[in-house]
Amino acid sequence: AQSVTQLDSQVPVFEEAPVELRCNYSSSVSVYLFWYVQYPNQGLQLLLKYLSGSTLVKGINGFEAEFNKSQTSFHLRKPSVHISDTAEYFCAVSSGTSYGKLTFGQGTILTVHP
Amino acid sequence: EAGVAQSPRYKIIEKRQSVAFWCNPISGHATLYWYQQILGQGPKLLIQFQNNGVVDDSQLPKDRFSAERLKGVDSTLKIQPAKLEDSAVYLCASSMDRVSEQYFGPGTRLTVT
Repeated sequence: AQSVTQLDSQVPVFEEAPVELRCNYSSSVSVYLFWYVQYPNQGLQLLLKYLSGSTLVKGINGFEAEFNKSQTSFHLRKPSVHISDTAEYFCAVSSGTSYGKLTFGQGTILTVHP
Repeated sequence: EAGVAQSPRYKIIEKRQSVAFWCNPISGHATLYWYQQILGQGPKLLIQFQNNGVVDDSQLPKDRFSAERLKGVDSTLKIQPAKLEDSAVYLCASSMDRVSEQYFGPGTRLTVT
């Protein structure tokens, strides 16, 4: 079975500050990892994904994430946030045996203050 | 291209009533998913279709929930009878196939009173 833990339920930051949203996963097989963003009253939008290859993955809106197999982590980072980044962020995993079946974490609410 | 469409956007019903949600995936997408997102939690997969066949419904409460995807395009998710704990946002997603990116609709917010 696969599971995802997002270590922070809420992260407040000031505009132009760096941010890291933490995600740890567990799975007995190879995994694919994703970060999604959800703006209020909207569906989820894919930020980035790790399938294979380079462990540093770059996504949309200046976000990036690093896959660390030894620490079973996939933390999301952005060097300088904007007010418009305020949203809820979800880490998700699917295993190599059931690609397409996503297991999501609990979500992290990122609030960017002016 | 048009995104995933869902209706209604909001629904309020009393417990023990029935309700149905509709999803129209992106044109050409063979795989369709229904997720349940309870407030404060991440989405949970309820059912996955490949064309009009069910791939995974292991987390669907089959005593009260049902879903169908006739003709491999639109899909409906039904709850009968509804319970208070069914209050959630129901998200529909579609992808070209099982290994492609999932695109999510805006969701239907269900409140059961």
